[in-house]
Amino acid sequence: AQSVAQPEDQVNVAEGNPLTVKCTYSVSGNPYLFWYVQYPNRGLQFLLKYITGDNLVKGSYGFEAEFNKSQTSFHLKKPSALVSDSALYFCAVRDIDTGGFKTIFGAGTRLFVKA
Amino acid sequence: DTGVSQDPRHKITKRGQNVTFRCDPISEHNRLYWYRQTLGQGPEFLTYFQNEAQLEKSRLLSDRFSAERPKGSFSTLEIQRTEQGDSAMYLCASSPSTGIDGNTIYFGEGSWLTVV
Repeated sequence: AQSVAQPEDQVNVAEGNPLTVKCTYSVSGNPYLFWYVQYPNRGLQFLLKYITGDNLVKGSYGFEAEFNKSQTSFHLKKPSALVSDSALYFCAVRDIDTGGFKTIFGAGTRLFVKA
Repeated sequence: DTGVSQDPRHKITKRGQNVTFRCDPISEHNRLYWYRQTLGQGPEFLTYFQNEAQLEKSRLLSDRFSAERPKGSFSTLEIQRTEQGDSAMYLCASSPSTGIDGNTIYFGEGSWLTVV
């Protein structure tokens, strides 16, 4: 079975400081990993994904994430946070060997960026 | 805008009534997904279509829920005899089966259901 854990319900950071939102995953096979962002009363917007290749992937709005297979982690990062980054962030995983086409989401981490 | 379109965006219904949601995926996407999201939770997978074939259903999808994609284009999600526990946002998503985006699902804005 595949699962995703986002250990922090909320992350607070000052504008201009670096931010990290943590994600760990569990799959039987090999993972595809994703980050999405959700603004109030809206659907989820795709930020970035890891499929294969370079462990550091870059995505929209200056976000990046690092795939670490030994730690089964895929933390989301940004060098300098903006107030407009405040939103709900979801990590997601798809087990490409055993999970079919089902993508499983974590419970989400709320990011607050203070001016 | 050629994104995933969902209708209606909001629905308030009385307990016991039936409701139907419609989803129009991105036009070249042959995979379509339904998810349910409650407050404070991540999206939960409900079901998945490849073209018109429903290939996977979650155990969350009780007998009161039915989804169709009759011509492999738009999809409907019907909930019969609604219960208060059905109150949630129902998210539709789509993805292509090949290409650089072949593993990325794109979501619509969601359909909020409130059962009173």
